Amino acid sequence: AQTVTQSQPEMSVQEAETVTLSCTYDTSESDYYLFWYKQPPSRQMILVIRQEAYKQQNATENRFSVNFQKAAKSFSLKISDSQLGDAAMYFCAYRSSATQGGSEKLVFGKGTKLTVNP
Amino acid sequence: DAGVTQSPTHLIKTRGQQVTLRCSPKSGHDTVSWYQQALGQGPQFIFQYYEEEERQRGNFPDRFSGHQFPNYSSELNVNALLLGDSALYLCASSETGLAEETQYFGPGTRLLVL
Repeated sequence: AQTVTQSQPEMSVQEAETVTLSCTYDTSESDYYLFWYKQPPSRQMILVIRQEAYKQQNATENRFSVNFQKAAKSFSLKISDSQLGDAAMYFCAYRSSATQGGSEKLVFGKGTKLTVNP
Repeated sequence: DAGVTQSPTHLIKTRGQQVTLRCSPKSGHDTVSWYQQALGQGPQFIFQYYEEEERQRGNFPDRFSGHQFPNYSSELNVNALLLGDSALYLCASSETGLAEETQYFGPGTRLLVL
């Protein structure tokens, strides 16, 4: 079974600075997807960024980028120019590739609480 | 374009009661997944519905059951509620057949069992 580990329960960053959230995972599969979701106090889980394992290029979405190290099974999220609205719980999630006929469920880590200080 | 919606937003029940939670998927989506998120934890997969059938199930007892309707909306039913069932219940929808098949979440239903 796949597992996802987020080793930082809490992180803080100054507004306009850069912060990196860590995520590692364990799998024997070669093709899969990785996600970062953001959950603000409003509770709604919002997709931040997605990475396909077969793509070597790291995904980027505006101020959010990932460092995907497949061999190390590491998938960190970098937030640049942090804003007050970035404060939230951040969850790393794994999903098997549906094309392999595997599980399509999301497996989540326990989350990292990000505080942004003005 | 309406996103995923869930009802009710909050619910209080007592032990032994039964509860039904509802979810309407994002327009164009045909698959609904349900997750339970205990306080301070990441979401845990309960089950997934596609074509009105349970396609996959996580490690949850039979007290948890579901249904999907022809319009793709879904219900989660929990019988014989326990205190430990208190959690945020999240519904996520996706479109089966797409390689990326990203799941989009609703705002959740907060269930408190007393």
